[in-house]
Parts: sequence; C-alpha cells; structure tokens
Amino acid sequence: AQSVTQPDIHITVSEGASLELRCNYSYGATPYLFWYVQSPGQGLQLLLKYFSGDTLVQGIKGFEAEFKRSQSSFNLRKPSVHWSDAAEYFCAVGGTSYGKLTFGQGTILTVHP
Amino acid sequence: NAGVMQNPRHLVRRRGQEARLRCSPMKGHSHVYWYRQLPEEGLKFMVYLQKENIIDESGMPKERFSAEFPKEGPSILRIQQVVRGDSAAYFCASSPPDRANEQFFGPGTRLTVL
Repeated sequence: AQSVTQPDIHITVSEGASLELRCNYSYGATPYLFWYVQSPGQGLQLLLKYFSGDTLVQGIKGFEAEFKRSQSSFNLRKPSVHWSDAAEYFCAVGGTSYGKLTFGQGTILTVHP
Repeated sequence: NAGVMQNPRHLVRRRGQEARLRCSPMKGHSHVYWYRQLPEEGLKFMVYLQKENIIDESGMPKERFSAEFPKEGPSILRIQQVVRGDSAAYFCASSPPDRANEQFFGPGTRLTVL
C-alpha cells in the first residue's frame, strides 16, 4: 500500500530564510510525486510534480523539490521565503495506472516578519 | 478555461438530512476524483469516476455515501442521513483522459452537520 509521511506538522521560519519541508513516501513501483499548497479555506494548488527524468524539479513560486529514490524522499525547498508563502503544504504520491493520490498529513508553514 | 467548480461552497445540514455536493470538471477533463479532508488531517481519496462509470470506490464509506458522474451534467457526491462525523471539506479534482495523474482541484465544499 502506498503512504506518505510528512514528519513536521508545523514549521516556523523568518521571512527571507530558506525552507525545507520533508516528505517520505512508500510505494511499490516508480512513484509519481506531487507537492500541493493550500491557503486557509481554499482548494489545493499544484506547486510541482515529478514523473521521471531529472530528479530536481522546479515549480511555481520559486519552489523546487528533489527526488531521492535511495531515501524514498521528495523534499520541498525554497531559498528565500516570503510572507505570502504561509499556508499548508501537502506531499502526495500516485501511481502510473491512474490518478488516485495518497496525501501526507500536511505541514503548516508560518512565516515571521 | 474555467477551473474545477464546486457548489455549494458551504453547506449546513442537520443530522439525518441529505447532502448533495456538485463538481463540474475542467473543460476536456473526463476523470473526476473526490477527496475528503477531515479537520487536522490530510486529504483522503474517496472515489474515482469517469463518465457514467465508477472506476474505484475503495475510499467510500460502505453506507450512506454514493457518487455519480452522468453523461451530462456535474458529478454528484451524495451523503444520506448525515451525521456529525461527516462534517469535513470535500474536494473534487479532475484530470484529462491522457494524463490521469495531473489533477486540478476545486475550491471544495465545506459541510457542517449540526
């Protein structure tokens, strides 16, 4: 069975600081990996995705993520956080057959001025 | 191209009533997924539908919940005889037929059961 673990429930950073959100997955085959962001009361917006190829993927809003098969990880990074990045972030894994996604529990990001 | 649309955005029901949640996928998308987000939790898959077919309902509760995606019109998630534990945000996502993993999410329907 596929699963996703986001070890950090809540992270606080200062504006301008770097950010790394952790994601570990369990999946029997080559996974499709995603990061979504959710602002309060809103739906989910896709930040980036990994299907194959280059293990470092670039997304919107200056985010990037690196797929490390040996560590079963897909951590999200941003070099300099902006106050508008405060939101909840979800990592998700899917298979190749169709698009059922399994989500982690989410990481709430707070940004201090 | 309009995004995935869900209505209503907020729905209040009393225990025992029925809740109907609607989802209109993006234009050209023929795959629809429903997810539920309970308070303090991530999203949990409920059901995957294509036009007139339920492909995977492994995440649906066995009773009171049903979903459809008719040939014409939106997808409907129906909850009969709602209970307080059904209070949650219900999200719909759609994807194009050739890229089933690229899901675009709607804004969700927040169901409150009194």
